[in-house]
Amino acid sequence: EAGVTQFPSHSVIEKGQTVTLRCDPISGHDNLYWYRRVMGKEIKFLLHFVKESKQDESGMPNNRFLAERTGGTYSTLKVQPAELEDSGVYFCASSPMEPGLHAYGYTFGSGTRLTVV
Amino acid sequence: AQSVSQHNHHVILSEAASLELGCNYSYGGTVNLFWYVQYPGQHLQLLLKYFSGDPLVKGIKGFEAEFIKSKFSFNLRKPSVQWSDTAEYFCAVNAPRDDKIIFGKGTRLHILP
Repeated sequence: EAGVTQFPSHSVIEKGQTVTLRCDPISGHDNLYWYRRVMGKEIKFLLHFVKESKQDESGMPNNRFLAERTGGTYSTLKVQPAELEDSGVYFCASSPMEPGLHAYGYTFGSGTRLTVV
Repeated sequence: AQSVSQHNHHVILSEAASLELGCNYSYGGTVNLFWYVQYPGQHLQLLLKYFSGDPLVKGIKGFEAEFIKSKFSFNLRKPSVQWSDTAEYFCAVNAPRDDKIIFGKGTRLHILP
């Protein structure tokens, strides 16, 4: 079974530019999550998709971040325009479990390391 | 609000030494508890988890953790570490039926050969 795939693995962009991160969940997983780790801090929840719908986006830091999951398959996370404080590692995870039991079956990707200079 | 505190940010040990990584959480109700590990260049992997039952949980690669409810702790242990245990370890919690996982800041473990 293929795992959760994220790309790019690394991205270096200039402040003010746009970057799009992609996550391909495990096939058949309805639940998809984005998390972020800013250097030296905790890994923090950003949002949760159930199929193509945003179930919870309470962790999104501001409106420069836009997440989509068209068709309920892969997801993209766009940062526009990027700021220095957006640098960090962005993790994606997916889960097949029913609502409310997701944490039992999380599989994480390797993450995308974003550096804004 | 839930929070997780990991006691050590960076731990250096020699091979065969015993390991204990501290983790305390803050939450008023029932919680699920996890330890995740990220080896260099790899994805976050679940090391072990506690949902209910025996508070001493055994995970992969010889790791175990003990849930002490009265202390709000979930410390990770391994009696004899190996060089291949070099990684970053994350303690995490979530409330049952919640979607989010709350992570600690992580502990970088470096094992000297």
